[in-house]
Amino acid sequence: QLVDSGGGLVRPGGSLRLSCAASGFTVSSNSMSWVRQTPGRGLEWVSVIHSGGNILYTDTVEGRFIMSRDNSKNMVYLQMNSLRDEDTAVYFCARRDILTEYYDYWGQGTLVTVSS
Amino acid sequence: EIVLTQSPATLSLSPGERATLSCRASQNVASYLAWYQQRPGQPPRLLIYDASSRATGIPARFSGSGSGADFTLTISSLEPEDFAVYYCLQRLLWPTFGQGTRLEIK
Repeated sequence: QLVDSGGGLVRPGGSLRLSCAASGFTVSSNSMSWVRQTPGRGLEWVSVIHSGGNILYTDTVEGRFIMSRDNSKNMVYLQMNSLRDEDTAVYFCARRDILTEYYDYWGQGTLVTVSS
Repeated sequence: EIVLTQSPATLSLSPGERATLSCRASQNVASYLAWYQQRPGQPPRLLIYDASSRATGIPARFSGSGSGADFTLTISSLEPEDFAVYYCLQRLLWPTFGQGTRLEIK
């Protein structure tokens, strides 16, 4: 199970940290991702942290967002800085299954609204 | 970036009918393609991976086919709970989704 949280209303240029709590598996053993969804742009992959610790970002958030993992708490995070209007979305955390290599478990999503 | 184009945008059918959804990739993605179902207020649910393998717990009425750049999701006989939005996803490169096909009740 994945429970994501931390969304809310923030002004442009502000920061927000999303959290994703995992249970039933170990986040350090799987690749974990953040994916966002908007009515206009659909589903967009934001970032991924692989089991080995390598982290990748989509171009539009590179340098502004930081994904991390806390193995002791079995959680992943997304620190979002310099937020823009276009970052407004529902953000999901998701787990990549080790065997199939596809994302099979998803959080319920947390809404981030960037607006003045 | 690999672009996935889904068709049709909306499909209107009745329960018991057969649904055929298409996904075309802008370049060859081999079989690195999945199908997801999303109901309102819910996260995406994995149905099919590697183009044709059913995910755990997915009913046999869902099937996937194709390879390279053209893929199809077929629902053999629609149940009421199947009316939702369906997305294809490629993972050959940075993951990208199609824009979705809305399956609505006729």
